[in-house]
Amino acid sequence: SYELTQPVSVSVALGQTARIPCGGSDMGSKNVHWYQQRPGQAPVLVMYRDNIRPSGIPERFSGSNSGNTATLTISRAQVGDEADYYCQVWDTTTAWVFGGGTKVTVL
Amino acid sequence: QVQLVQSGAEVRKPGSSVKVSCTASGGTVSNSAIGWVRQARGQGLEWMGAIIPIYTTAKYAQKFQGRVTITTDKSTSTTYMELRSLTSDDTAMYYCARSPTPHWGDKFDLWGRGTSITVSP
Repeated sequence: SYELTQPVSVSVALGQTARIPCGGSDMGSKNVHWYQQRPGQAPVLVMYRDNIRPSGIPERFSGSNSGNTATLTISRAQVGDEADYYCQVWDTTTAWVFGGGTKVTVL
Repeated sequence: QVQLVQSGAEVRKPGSSVKVSCTASGGTVSNSAIGWVRQARGQGLEWMGAIIPIYTTAKYAQKFQGRVTITTDKSTSTTYMELRSLTSDDTAMYYCARSPTPHWGDKFDLWGRGTSITVSP
């Protein structure tokens, strides 16, 4: 079955840039979606098809995907960006797959 | 504006079943897919299965094959997820989520608020 690997946690200084990697075999050939989940809330889509921001998501959020790694980048990090972030892909044999999630802490 | 409204929290005994509903309020889900995702306390998101209502075609994660059934009532824009043979490991928050196209593999752009399922003797 297909698996996605994310670091458990990422820390970033206030106003600096956080990069959240998501690794998987041949990721560059897949569409990667990203979700933000704040404590006690349902997930929210923050990036889809690698680098497209849904309406209402700040331009500070960007995405890239190449080789075996997709990356969600949060520029000028704010306290409000503290959350868990999950990557997701569709695999033809496993169907929808989520990464294990990354907890982002803004210091 | 479409919202996904889920049924309320449930408590079940081990070995029993539970059926959770997800209703599209303010719109329809006929040209979309509805997925079910669960999350145990302190854990990550786990995809369970999904259905495309216009085709009434469902897919299930291998882990849940034979134990979960997802159905839809197009007349009420309601999707149901039934999970059987419950154990304490099934204690979790269960979310429904919409993919905006009637195809497998699209993003989940709209989520319900979740239904808490507790399995306890």
